Amino acid sequence: DQQVKQNSPSLSVQEGRISILNCDYTNSMFDYFLWYKKYPAEGPTFLISISSIKDKNEDGRFTVFLNKSAKHLSLHIVPSQPGDSAVYFCAATRSGGSYIPTFGRGTSLIVHP
Amino acid sequence: DTGVSQDPRHKITKRGQNVTFRCDPISEHNRLYWYRQTLGQGPEFLTYFQNEAQLEKSRLLSDRFSAERPKGSFSTLEIQRTEQGDSAMYLCASSLLGTGDRAFFGQGTRLTVV
Repeated sequence: DQQVKQNSPSLSVQEGRISILNCDYTNSMFDYFLWYKKYPAEGPTFLISISSIKDKNEDGRFTVFLNKSAKHLSLHIVPSQPGDSAVYFCAATRSGGSYIPTFGRGTSLIVHP
Repeated sequence: DTGVSQDPRHKITKRGQNVTFRCDPISEHNRLYWYRQTLGQGPEFLTYFQNEAQLEKSRLLSDRFSAERPKGSFSTLEIQRTEQGDSAMYLCASSLLGTGDRAFFGQGTRLTVV
């Protein structure tokens, strides 16, 4: 049973435009959410995170939005750059527990020049 | 390089053979995780250690799999009697207790069972 779902396997965006990657979760115990970026033949690298006490966290071109009532989060990349082309994984965990991040299946982002 | 390192990067083995992978975490990190990733899937949790203690194991970790972290530093993951279904990328990650969030991943070991 997928507790973290990324329903779009791929996304194609023009350079300079906004990329929006979506993630849904089912476990209401999750209270910390992370986005990882993965290039081919490399391990995932941490990108940005958000706690459930917030609904937005911003870091440069990357912003994560959390809608707790909908159990939905999204990653916005503005402006998108060709170097952003990678697989993006959404992960969720819960504080006070065993801190084991549970990952979605990933969304492959392609940013066209 | 002070990141998480994994060895080997690639391993091809015949079905039925045993394989062992090594992970060296970031030195001050006391938590170490093993994940497995297959094509089209996200990383799936296998097991994790806090210092030398193995605190949790996934249902995915059959009795052919064993992991150790003898001195709370590096870790090994052994797969006995490998099967073709074991072919995957095996990822190691580490984090600092109390941060609970930012796990740093190694580059992974790609296992191919033929």
